Amino acid sequence: QKEVEQNSGPLSVPEGAIASLNCTYSDRGSQSFFWYRQYSGKSPELIMSIYSNGDKEDGRFTAQLNKASQYVSLLIRDSQPSDSATYLCAVIPSGGGADGLTFGKGTHLIIQP
Amino acid sequence: KAGVTQTPRYLIKTRGQQVTLSCSPISGHRSVSWYQQTPGQGLQFLFEYFSETQRNKGNFPGRFSGRQFSNSRSEMNVSTLELGDSALYLCASSLGQATYEQYFGPGTRLTVT
Repeated sequence: QKEVEQNSGPLSVPEGAIASLNCTYSDRGSQSFFWYRQYSGKSPELIMSIYSNGDKEDGRFTAQLNKASQYVSLLIRDSQPSDSATYLCAVIPSGGGADGLTFGKGTHLIIQP
Repeated sequence: KAGVTQTPRYLIKTRGQQVTLSCSPISGHRSVSWYQQTPGQGLQFLFEYFSETQRNKGNFPGRFSGRQFSNSRSEMNVSTLELGDSALYLCASSLGQATYEQYFGPGTRLTVT
């Protein structure tokens, strides 16, 4: 079974610090990786996509992918209280989109003012 | 550009009834995917439609079905509702052309009593 694992948290980070969110996946053939942010009572919002090994930066967000270790992470710099949410890691397993996006259960992030 | 819209936003049904949910994708997006989100199971893939054809299907019983129209709008139907079908049903759209970046609508909260 193709799985995506995340620490459920809560992960508590002081305002202004770097929040580091981690995700591992079981399907070595996975090619596409995404981070979604979900506020309580809202739907997931796409914040980052990454397809190749290395880092991808977008504003305060950096996604990191290591396919050899089957590991993807999201760094949030200068964390703000508005970043408090559940962060979902999602993967397209091998076989393309046949199984849709496979989601982790999410990490609950709390930014403490 | 308008986002993904879903109707209705909230729905209360009785066990044994059937329900139809609607989704309008972002203009120009031809792929629509449906997901079920529950506290216990997280986000799970139901099915994907592209150009009026079901392209992929998740591991859900046949009571869950869907269709897509020529304007890319999609409907999802659940027949013979069970208590366990209570969930947030999310629709996501994507270009569908060699990209898996999916954008979610606000969801339909279904409660089965």
